Formats: sequence, structure tokens, C-alpha cells
Amino acid sequence: KAGVTQTPRYLIKTRGQQVTLSCSPISGHRSVSWYQQTPGQGLQFLFEYFSETQRNKGNFPGRFSGRQFSNSRSEMNVSTLELGDSALYLCASSVQGQNTEAFFGQGTRLTVV
Amino acid sequence: TQLLEQSPQFLSIQEGENLTVYCNSSSVFSSLQWYRQEPGEGPVLLVTVVTGGEVKKLKRLTFQFGDARKDSSLHITAAQPGDTGLYLCAGARGAQKLVFGQGTRLTINP
Repeated sequence: KAGVTQTPRYLIKTRGQQVTLSCSPISGHRSVSWYQQTPGQGLQFLFEYFSETQRNKGNFPGRFSGRQFSNSRSEMNVSTLELGDSALYLCASSVQGQNTEAFFGQGTRLTVV
Repeated sequence: TQLLEQSPQFLSIQEGENLTVYCNSSSVFSSLQWYRQEPGEGPVLLVTVVTGGEVKKLKRLTFQFGDARKDSSLHITAAQPGDTGLYLCAGARGAQKLVFGQGTRLTINP
């Protein structure tokens, strides 16, 4: 059974640009959650999608958005990038949602210069 | 305010020693998960504990859920360099999002 796949693995962007990250969950998993991980803040919850609907949202500005497709694949978009957006972005899939076991992808390392 | 406090934040010990890391909260969780994360990779689920007082063993790793389901511990016996990594605990409460601790960064020196 394939695991969670995130693409790309590494990304370098310039301030002001936008970026789209992709996550393919484990087959059969309908929930995809996104997290931002930085050395200072740890793992911060961004949002969760379940059956194409955003079900939970963390405390991030509106520049961070996401969506989920009918095949459960999810994308996360960050517009008007800032230096502070540099982080490891992780997605996690689970069968039903936040209160069940989460399986993480390898992450996308975003560097904003 | 961090709902889940992990301690210690950093731990560096010699191969063969035993260690315990803690995950504490004032909140009750329906379940608690432990993950290990290596540099540049995503966290990998180690175990889920559900019942108060539950003890689970994974080879040299022993996980315990507190009786009141507010805290958990991870004990490693005879630590090996391969145990090096960031250990994260995460609590679940109903349909709410998983709450993660800040992690314990463990280094096992050969």
C-alpha cells in the first residue's frame, strides 16, 4: 500500500510569489490535514479537508488556502510569500479525520528568499 | 498556551542507557499518539494509546497512558543510535484537530 506522497520535496521561491503544494493520501483515506513545521514553533495545524470540504482550520492568515479533489488528493496554496513562510510543510492522511491515526508524508521543504 | 507539554525538550545520552520522556496536559484526551521524526522526513506513527493506564510495548520502547488520560510517557531501554530523532506526542479529543506537543529531540551517542 503506497504511503502519503507530497510533491515537490524541495522548493525555493522569492518573496511575493505564490506556491502550490500537492499531497496524495493513502488510498481509501478521505481526510487530509496540512501542518507547518518550523524549529521555533513546532508542528502547527493549518487545515483539514474531508470529502472535499474544509472541516477544521488553524490560526493562519488567509494567504494560506487549500482544497481537496474528489479523489482525495489535496493542494495547499500560499500567496504573497513572506520570509517567515519558510518551513517544512507536512500533510497527513487518515481514514476519517483528526481524531484518528495520522500518516504523514515526507513533507515539502519551502525556502523563501 | 501549549496544550501538550513535552519534557525534556532536548536529551543527549550514551548508547545503552535508559531514558523516559514525558507528555503532559491539563486536558483529557480520548487517545494519544506518539510519533518519531527524523531530519527532513515526516513523522512516523509509533503507537496509539486509548485506555487510561494502558501500557504498550514496541521492542525496547514502552508507552504508558496516564490513568486520567491527561499524560503519557515513553520509556526506552538500552537506547541505540537508531533511536535518535524528534519524538512527538499528539492528543485527540473527539472530532477536534490533533494537538501536538513541541517534541523531545533525542540524541543517542555511540
